Amino acid sequence: DQQVKQNSPSLSVQEGRISILNCDYTNSMFDYFLWYKKYPAEGPTFLISISSIKDKNEDGRFTVFLNKSAKHLSLHIVPSQPGDSAVYFCAARTAGNKLTFGGGTRVLVKP
Amino acid sequence: DVKVTQSSRYLVKRTGEKVFLECVQDMDHENMFWYRQDPGLGLRLIYFSYDVKMKEKGDIPEGYSVSREKKERFSLILESASTNQTSMYLCASSLGGADSYEQYFGPGTRLTVT
Repeated sequence: DQQVKQNSPSLSVQEGRISILNCDYTNSMFDYFLWYKKYPAEGPTFLISISSIKDKNEDGRFTVFLNKSAKHLSLHIVPSQPGDSAVYFCAARTAGNKLTFGGGTRVLVKP
Repeated sequence: DVKVTQSSRYLVKRTGEKVFLECVQDMDHENMFWYRQDPGLGLRLIYFSYDVKMKEKGDIPEGYSVSREKKERFSLILESASTNQTSMYLCASSLGGADSYEQYFGPGTRLTVT
């Protein structure tokens, strides 16, 4: 049973437009949520995080929104750039610094 | 910069062979993790360790074991490789403590078992 789900396996967006990636979770005990970005043949790299007590965190072009009542978070990338083309993983932290990952969303930004 | 290195980028092994995957981190991190990544399934935790000689099972430990004899090194062992263990294996490390959540990943080892 997947506790963290990314229901869209892929997303295609035009350069300059907004990319919105979604993530749903089931475990109310998650206290931090993270987004990782992964290029082919490289390990995932940390992008942005949000504490479960916040509803928004912004870092440059990247904003993460958390809706605890809906157990839903989203990542907004504005404006999207070709270099943003990658696989994005949503992750959630439980006790002991363990992360549970979603299945990933492949983003393609078209020039 | 945190650096996590993995001993091999690509590995091909035969069914039944014993396989060792090595991971080294250079930032004195307490926590180390082994994941496998499969399409559509994301990253799944195999084993993790909070300290030297300590290990904890993750979500999919069957068919794997680990060793952590030194703080900077965490090894994943496939006792008898099988074709369903063909996957991308990723090692990660993080600081200990309740305020630590970011994990730093190595480049991965793509293992093929034939």
